[in-house]
Amino acid sequence: QQQVKQSPQSLIVQKGGISIINCAYENTAFDYFPWYQQFPGKGPALLIAIRPDVSEKKEGRFTISFNKSAKQFSLHIMDSQPGDSATYFCAARAFSGNTPLVFGKGTRLSVIA
Amino acid sequence: DGGITQSPKYLFRKEGQNVTLSCEQNLNHDAMYWYRQDPGQGLRLIYYSQIVNDFQKGDIAEGYSVSREKKESFPLTVTSAQKNPTAFYLCASSPLERSEQYFGPGTRLTVT
Repeated sequence: QQQVKQSPQSLIVQKGGISIINCAYENTAFDYFPWYQQFPGKGPALLIAIRPDVSEKKEGRFTISFNKSAKQFSLHIMDSQPGDSATYFCAARAFSGNTPLVFGKGTRLSVIA
Repeated sequence: DGGITQSPKYLFRKEGQNVTLSCEQNLNHDAMYWYRQDPGQGLRLIYYSQIVNDFQKGDIAEGYSVSREKKESFPLTVTSAQKNPTAFYLCASSPLERSEQYFGPGTRLTVT
C-alpha cells in the first residue's frame, strides 16, 4: 500500500526528444506527488509537484500528467537536453498527518547528442 | 543563505566505530528526515521528526539513532550495530503546513 513503483529503471533519449518516466501507486490517501531531480553526488532537488485535483501541470519543459482513476502519474521532459541527464525520483505523500514522502526507486536518464 | 547543511561531505570510519552525521537547517521547518541512498535502492527513510524532542522510526532504523534537541538540528548516529553503513546519507526538512520537502547536499560515509 505504501509503495510507489517507478519505471523505467534507466532511459536513453536523443537530444531534442521527449523523456517519459512513469509511476504508479496503490494508496488512495496519497494527495501530493512530487518529482525530484538528482545529479551525481548531490542531494535531490524538487522539480515539480502535482495534487490530484488537476490532471496536468507544466513548468517550462517539465510536465506532470496525473491519472487519478488509474493511480498513475508521469513526468514528461520536452526537448530533452544533455544537461537533463540525471536520476529522477517520483514520490507520494498523504498530507493528512504529514507523513513522510514515499519514493520510487529512481530512473537514470541519459540524454545523448 | 537559507538552506540545509550537512557536514562533512565525505566521512571515513573504521568498522566498529560509531559516527555522527550533522544536519542543520535555517528554514524554520518543523519536520526533518534522514534517508539512506544506495545504488539502485532509491531513498529509504531511516528516522523522521516532526517536532523537537520527538522522532519516529522509518523503514530502516535498525543500527541508527537520532536526537532532536533543537528545531534546526537533527543529527544521525550510525552505530556499530549497523551491518552495512557505507552509503550516501541525505537529510531533508519540510514545513508542517505544506507538503514540499527539501534535501541537503548529503554525506557520503565509507566504513572499512
